[in-house]
Amino acid sequence: DQQVKQNSPSLSVQEGRISILNCDYTNSMFDYFLWYKKYPAEGPTFLISISSIKDKNEDGRFTVFLNKSAKHLSLHIVPSQPGDSAVYFCAASANTGNQFYFGTGTSLTVIP
Amino acid sequence: DAMVIQNPRYQVTQFGKPVTLSCSQTLNHNVMYWYQQKSSQAPKLLFHYYDKDFNNEADTPDNFQSRRPNTSFCFLDIRSPGLGDAAMYLCATSRETPGTSGNNEQFFGPGTRLTVL
Repeated sequence: DQQVKQNSPSLSVQEGRISILNCDYTNSMFDYFLWYKKYPAEGPTFLISISSIKDKNEDGRFTVFLNKSAKHLSLHIVPSQPGDSAVYFCAASANTGNQFYFGTGTSLTVIP
Repeated sequence: DAMVIQNPRYQVTQFGKPVTLSCSQTLNHNVMYWYQQKSSQAPKLLFHYYDKDFNNEADTPDNFQSRRPNTSFCFLDIRSPGLGDAAMYLCATSRETPGTSGNNEQFFGPGTRLTVL
């Protein structure tokens, strides 16, 4: 059973606009969340994380928002750039566990 | 640059013919993971090592085995590959396991694409 869900397989955004990627989870024990970015023919690379004690974490153009009551997190990219075109994976873990659970990914295309 | 290296990048094997995929790391991380990822699916954890301690996921088939002879290397052995084992296999490392505050970000290799004929 998929505990982390990314319901949008793909997203297209114009360069300079905001990209919003969404992720939902079902396990209320999850307390640490990450976003990974994956280019073709490369492994996923860590982008940004958030702990459940926060509701927002920002790093440059990337901001992750966490809504614990809704079991929902989102990644905002502002402004979007063509180099941001990649597959973005959401992952979650619990402090009682020993693995990350990944979503199926959202393919972002930023149109110049 | 410190990194996670996987060889080969592409592997073709025949149905039932054993195959070994390799992973090495220069990060000196305690934990090494093997994931299987099929098209349009989430990476699925097969097993991980914390140092020499092996941790197998409950639903990982017996057909999949792993070895970690030292900190730097970890191998995935598929004893009798079936057509359903064709996938991307990702190796990852982390300093600590998830659930430990900090130092648990995973670093991934580029993956090995396995084709079974």
